[in-house]
Amino acid sequence: NAGVTQTPEFQVLKTGQSMTLQCAQDMNHEYMSWYRQDPGMGLRLIHYSVGAGITDQGEVPNGYNVSRSTTEDFPLRLLSAAPSQTSVYFCASSSIFGGNQPQHFGDGTRLSIL
Amino acid sequence: KNEVEQSPQNLTAQEGEFITINCSYSVGISALHWLQQHPGGGIVSLFMLSSGKKKHGRLIATINIQEKHSSLHITASHPRDSAVYICAVRYSGGGADGLTFGKGTHLIIQP
Repeated sequence: NAGVTQTPEFQVLKTGQSMTLQCAQDMNHEYMSWYRQDPGMGLRLIHYSVGAGITDQGEVPNGYNVSRSTTEDFPLRLLSAAPSQTSVYFCASSSIFGGNQPQHFGDGTRLSIL
Repeated sequence: KNEVEQSPQNLTAQEGEFITINCSYSVGISALHWLQQHPGGGIVSLFMLSSGKKKHGRLIATINIQEKHSSLHITASHPRDSAVYICAVRYSGGGADGLTFGKGTHLIIQP
């Protein structure tokens, strides 16, 4: 049982480049979300989805785009990478939204923007 | 913005010691999560609770709704318990995600 799978594990980009962080889950969870983790701060929500075809913004959405074409996949796109987007990114899923169910996290993507 | 405060921020202890990590929050919640993050690793959910106490192995989580406080205890601590422990809450009436995270407690257990 793979749970939540994130790829790549590490990535280095140059300012202005674009890329997609992949997230897939095999638990048939409706709710998926993307967080970023920065030193000295709690995890912050970027975007979330309550089901296929439905996405919404979280606390820090600027510079990121998401789509949810299937229940399993929830990719995060950086449109034009900036050094401020250097962070560790986590994808999470749960059976329903709202934080009243256990959250399942991926192993994270460590992203550096030069 | 409602905050989640964790204490201590850093904790170093000897193997075998009883460990307590605290989490406090400001307004009513519907759920509180304790998460574990190993160095360079992913995040694992340890507990989700809305009242009382839960136990899993050497880990115990308690919550006092009236005092808006939760504790995570580790009995007979071991070096493999070294990790960052994160508290997160679901505030009542929060949005579709609703989880607010603390900054984490960095725990080191020395042999």
